[in-house]
Amino acid sequence: EAGVAQSPRYKIIEKRQSVAFWCNPISGHATLYWYQQILGQGPKLLIQFQNNGVVDDSQLPKDRFSAERLKGVDSTLKIQPAKLEDSAVYLCASSLEPGSQYFGPGTRLTVL
Amino acid sequence: KQEVTQIPAALSVPEGENLVLNCSFTDSAIYNLQWFRQDPGKGLTSLLLIQSSQREQTSGRLNASLDKSSGRSTLYIAASQPGDSATYLCAVKTLDNYGQNFVFGPGTRLSVLP
Repeated sequence: EAGVAQSPRYKIIEKRQSVAFWCNPISGHATLYWYQQILGQGPKLLIQFQNNGVVDDSQLPKDRFSAERLKGVDSTLKIQPAKLEDSAVYLCASSLEPGSQYFGPGTRLTVL
Repeated sequence: KQEVTQIPAALSVPEGENLVLNCSFTDSAIYNLQWFRQDPGKGLTSLLLIQSSQREQTSGRLNASLDKSSGRSTLYIAASQPGDSATYLCAVKTLDNYGQNFVFGPGTRLSVLP
């Protein structure tokens, strides 16, 4: 079974630029999560999708972050414009409720 | 609001030792608790999932226990090996105003010395 795929693996941008991350969950997993992990901390949930609907986006900074999951499969997370404090690893995970979460390798973002 | 803490923040042990990692959570109304392993520069790998109705789960040299009433979980690693070196995170699935939510602890960084 293929795992959760994410791209790119690394991204370096300057502040105020835009960036987008892509995630392809495990086939058949209806629930998809985006997390932000700042160095030395545990992951923080940004947004949770159930199929193509948003379940929880309470911690998503909506003035600059957006996410979508068209057709209930792949998902993209966008930051526009980026700030220095957005430097982090962005992790995507998927699950078959109420089972375990499976994580992708993450995208390491550096904002200069 | 659910808060998760992990003690110790870092641990260094010689190979072969048995060790215990601790996870505490403030809201006992959880659905499940999951332990993960994270290697440097990698994503998270699920180790054990304990449902709220369960007391413990075992996989190989790993044993995780859950005491909901006291808001605690422990991960026991038997006969540690250098390959066990990684950061271990616990996450609780809880219910908040927006539905079910996962909250992670900050992790324990484990080094097993050969």
